[in-house]
Amino acid sequence: GIQVEQSPPDLILQEGANSTLRCNFSDSVNNLQWFHQNPWGQLINLFYIPSGTKQNGRLSATTVATERYSLLYISSSQTTDSGVYFCAVADFGNEKLTFGTGTRLTIIP
Amino acid sequence: KAGVTQTPRYLIKTRGQQVTLSCSPISGHRSVSWYQQTPGQGLQFLFEYFSETQRNKGNFPGRFSGRQFSNSRSEMNVSTLELGDSALYLCASSLPGAEQYFGPGTRLTVT
Repeated sequence: GIQVEQSPPDLILQEGANSTLRCNFSDSVNNLQWFHQNPWGQLINLFYIPSGTKQNGRLSATTVATERYSLLYISSSQTTDSGVYFCAVADFGNEKLTFGTGTRLTIIP
Repeated sequence: KAGVTQTPRYLIKTRGQQVTLSCSPISGHRSVSWYQQTPGQGLQFLFEYFSETQRNKGNFPGRFSGRQFSNSRSEMNVSTLELGDSALYLCASSLPGAEQYFGPGTRLTVT
């Protein structure tokens, strides 16, 4: 099956800093999603981005499908951005999402 | 449009018991998937249902089962609970091949 690797595993930043989270995957994908897991465990959708670039406020994401990686950018970090960020992928004809192990982001005031 | 709902939100069971969790998808979504999240194993796929048929199954023992009803609501059942089944169980729904949306989860504790 598809392998998904996220880096870094942990990231500690000062409020206002920018961050880049990376997701590498081992095969062609039909679906790539970025999630933020809130303190109560719910996965909040950030981006659905099997290819290309998208932006939503301070967050943006880029997926280079031919090179099998995706990047999540967070600019001007706020303490509310703290939490675990997951990348998940699914291959063609398959709804099964394979998750990475996540990046734990901590924003210090 | 209402999101994915899961009931109950919290559950405490004893080893050997069985448990049934419920998931109601977003209206119009016919695909429902279940995931287990534990600190040691991360987020793992359990199974996926579409139009009342199980289309895909993860690598879990037969104690884990599920079903989907004609209104797309889904249930998963775990029989003969073990301590290691303590986890957050997440349900997701989607249109075919599209973005998946997750419910708030059911946190199961087995004592």
